[in-house]
Amino acid sequence: GAGVSQTPSNKVTEKGKYVELRCDPISGHTALYWYRQSLGQGPEFLIYFQGTGAADDSGLPNDRFFAVRPEGSVSTLKIQRTERGDSAVYLCASSLEEAAYNEQFFGPGTRLTVL
Amino acid sequence: AQSVTQLDSQVPVFEEAPVELRCNYSSSVSVYLFWYVQYPNQGLQLLLKYLSGSTLVKGINGFEAEFNKSQTSFHLRKPSVHISDTAEYFCAVTETSGSRLTFGEGTQLTVNP
Repeated sequence: GAGVSQTPSNKVTEKGKYVELRCDPISGHTALYWYRQSLGQGPEFLIYFQGTGAADDSGLPNDRFFAVRPEGSVSTLKIQRTERGDSAVYLCASSLEEAAYNEQFFGPGTRLTVL
Repeated sequence: AQSVTQLDSQVPVFEEAPVELRCNYSSSVSVYLFWYVQYPNQGLQLLLKYLSGSTLVKGINGFEAEFNKSQTSFHLRKPSVHISDTAEYFCAVTETSGSRLTFGEGTQLTVNP
C-alpha cells in the first residue's frame, strides 16, 4: 500500500516568509509525528498527534511553528516568519496508534531552504 | 529525558567484512530501542527494534543488535556487508510510556569494493 507522503519535496523561500508543509499518513494510522533533521544530525522531535489533537508539542522550537491535523488524517506544519536557521529536512511519520512499541513509518521528507 | 550517542560518525569497510555500529543511550526510565537506516534520497526505514525478551534482536537485511542493559548499549552488527548496505544508520530510543523517538546523530556506513 501507499506509504507516508510529504509535499512539497523541496521548498525554497525567503527569510520572513510563511510556509506550509503537508503530510499524508498511511491510511488508518491514528498517530502522526513531525521531526526536523538538520544537516549532519539525527532527526529531532517536534510534535505528535493522536487523532486530531496534539498530544505533545514540546519539541516545537518557538511560537513561529504550528501544526494542525483537523480531520485526524492529513497534517500541515506551518512556519511563520521563516529564518535561515529553519533550513532543514522536515520529516513526517505515522504509526498505527500512539504506543512506544509501534513502528513509525517515515515519509521522504520536505527539504526547506530559507535564503 | 533520554539521550543517544553513536560513537562513530563514519565507518568505512570493505565488502564482505563484518561491521559493528556502536550506540549507547542514557535514560532514567525504561526504554525501547530502535535502529533505522536511511538510504540516499529515501526515508528512514526500521531495521530492528528491542522491546523485551531476548537481548539479541534480528532485523532485516541480515542485521542484528544486542541490548546490554548494564552497559546501556545497543550495538548493531552484520557479519558480512554488501555495497548496498552503504547508508546512514540511526539509533533511537523511546520511553516505554511514550512514543516520541530520540535519535543519535547517525553513523555513515560506507562499503567499498
